[in-house]
Amino acid sequence: DTGVSQDPRHKITKRGQNVTFRCDPISEHNRLYWYRQTLGQGPEFLTYFQNEAQLEKSRLLSDRFSAERPKGSFSTLEIQRTEQGDSAMYLCASSPPREVGDTQYFGPGTRLTVL
Amino acid sequence: AQSVTQLGSHVSVSEGALVLLRCNYSSSVPPYLFWYVQYPNQGLQLLLKYTSAATLVKGINGFEAEFKKSETSFHLTKPSAHMSDAAEYFCAVSGDTGGFKTIFGAGTRLFVKA
Repeated sequence: DTGVSQDPRHKITKRGQNVTFRCDPISEHNRLYWYRQTLGQGPEFLTYFQNEAQLEKSRLLSDRFSAERPKGSFSTLEIQRTEQGDSAMYLCASSPPREVGDTQYFGPGTRLTVL
Repeated sequence: AQSVTQLGSHVSVSEGALVLLRCNYSSSVPPYLFWYVQYPNQGLQLLLKYTSAATLVKGINGFEAEFKKSETSFHLTKPSAHMSDAAEYFCAVSGDTGGFKTIFGAGTRLFVKA
């Protein structure tokens, strides 16, 4: 069990550019979550997958954001035409199947800075 | 819709003193409730969770929390603070709509004075 990994750990980009983040969950974890966290706030739910199916997506997520989880393994989060307001820590978490009260295991996050 | 309110963005206690971090939730269905901790430069990790089994839940590192439905609260306590407890603590709720969407509070930063 190597834990949830995220790549890259840091990303600096210019406004208007597209960025893509990757998350590798703990093996055999069937649920995968994406959150956004800004300074002084708790993680804000973006979306989650059960296997390859995206089951819920926050209404806060504009159409510039898209997430995929092909084959139910790793996931990618893409932000198109980045804006300065997108600067945040993007967190990924995974959880195992058949567990009452979903314990989520978090990755270290990807810090995005939009200049 | 579910929501979480953490009272006090910062709490400061002396080493050896009682730790009390407050969390109130709103939910239209019996909730699952969680406390997560984030140590400096580390990812969030689960401290404890309530899943409707026992109302008093014990977690790691001597922390515990009590689910009080009448007060819609899930406060986190530890009898004696240790310097290593200094961290950010997040209360969270899930279970609404039958799914796994989890809503986190804004967090409480705990400072422990020597």
